[in-house]
Amino acid sequence: EVQLVESGGGLVKPGGSLRLSCAASGFTFSSYEFNWVRQAPGKGLEWISYIRRSGSTIYYADSVKGRFTSSRDNAKNSLYLQMHSLRAEDTAVYYCAREPVPTAMAYYGMDVWGQGTTVTVSS
Amino acid sequence: EIVLTQSPATLSLSPGERATLSCRASHTVTTYLAWYQQRPGLAPRLLIYDASNRATGIPARFSGSGSGTDFTLTISSLEPEDFAVYYCLQRSNWPLTFGGGTKVEIK
Repeated sequence: EVQLVESGGGLVKPGGSLRLSCAASGFTFSSYEFNWVRQAPGKGLEWISYIRRSGSTIYYADSVKGRFTSSRDNAKNSLYLQMHSLRAEDTAVYYCAREPVPTAMAYYGMDVWGQGTTVTVSS
Repeated sequence: EIVLTQSPATLSLSPGERATLSCRASHTVTTYLAWYQQRPGLAPRLLIYDASNRATGIPARFSGSGSGTDFTLTISSLEPEDFAVYYCLQRSNWPLTFGGGTKVEIK
């Protein structure tokens, strides 16, 4: 079964750090690109980071740039999001999402999502 | 940054009715647009990719159209499980952006 499972969420104080993980199974992890998407309570979806297959190219939303770091370990079929200097506005459910490599002719969407892990930033 | 504007914010319809959801981009995204459905408490689910292609396992009552800046998601006949929030996403330019969502609720 194709699956993504996030972990590592929890309660953290403002200014603190947290590392999220996303474990993949049921498919060839290294063949896909990945994104992190979050959703604050009662709000819409916000894209926060993308990482290419090799990990050589990473993009971030301005809201997290300089504070969050994405990485991947293709040998362990895992994706990571290291979060520093956390703020109350980072409180959200964090999802990892798989993305087949787009071509010049087509974009295939984020086709597999994890169940999400909740991060709460509060004193 | 490309801004995606979804309308209406809320759509109140009855089962069996047709739903038409709009997503308008501030700049062209060609067909690099996807639609997602999110039911309460669940992760988003890919419905449509590349503006008009149904994802694996998505029923034929869902269809997408458009290119450039104007896109439409149509649900031809609403089933009870279709009452949810729908988001569009563009992958034409960084940063990726989602629309604000359209909630399809039972009238």
